Amino acid sequence: SQQGEEDPQALSIQEGENATMNCSYKTSINNLQWYRQNSGRGLVHLILIRSNEREKHSGRLRVTLDTSKKSSSLLITASRAADTASYFCATAASENDYKLSFGAGTTVTVRA
Amino acid sequence: EPEVTQTPSHQVTQMGQEVILRCVPISNHLYFYWYRQILGQKVEFLVSFYNNEISEKSEIFDDQFSVERPDGSNFTLKIRSTKLEDSAMYFCASVGTTALLAKNIQYFGAGTRLSVL
Repeated sequence: SQQGEEDPQALSIQEGENATMNCSYKTSINNLQWYRQNSGRGLVHLILIRSNEREKHSGRLRVTLDTSKKSSSLLITASRAADTASYFCATAASENDYKLSFGAGTTVTVRA
Repeated sequence: EPEVTQTPSHQVTQMGQEVILRCVPISNHLYFYWYRQILGQKVEFLVSFYNNEISEKSEIFDDQFSVERPDGSNFTLKIRSTKLEDSAMYFCASVGTTALLAKNIQYFGAGTRLSVL
């Protein structure tokens, strides 16, 4: 299995601070994605980084990927109360295998 | 923005009963998935479906489970005889392949919470 494992499991920060969470996985991947899940809701795609990329930005999100360490990080800058959610990394094994293997997630609470 | 729709949002059933969870994927998407998330646990892959047949299934997807795309728009997951341990959130997802960069992005429905009593 190449499921990602996130750390920390939970994170509580003040509005305006940055939130960083990490993900590790076990086997080679084609891409790694981050999803957000608000309580009781579905998963929303945030950002995708391919195995030949090292860093990607999207708005207040910054993702890094280190394939030698089999790890990724997600940074949310200038957090807002609306960023309160669970964040999951998910890996896809190959170019044409879209099945995702998810990590356990990091629960982020942003205090106003 | 197009979205994946799942019904019902919550299904309560007695152990041993059959349930059908329904999904309407985004139109023109070609790949369909079911995942489940037991409370407090990871999201787990159940099955993928392409070209009107199962392309891959996990160990969880045993003979009690089946999927169908009966009419070209709906995508259903049937559990023939539910067990207590089937209680979970079930998510449907679809992937479109029309755009190179978008083809790996899965669009998830809001989920169906299945409670087996």
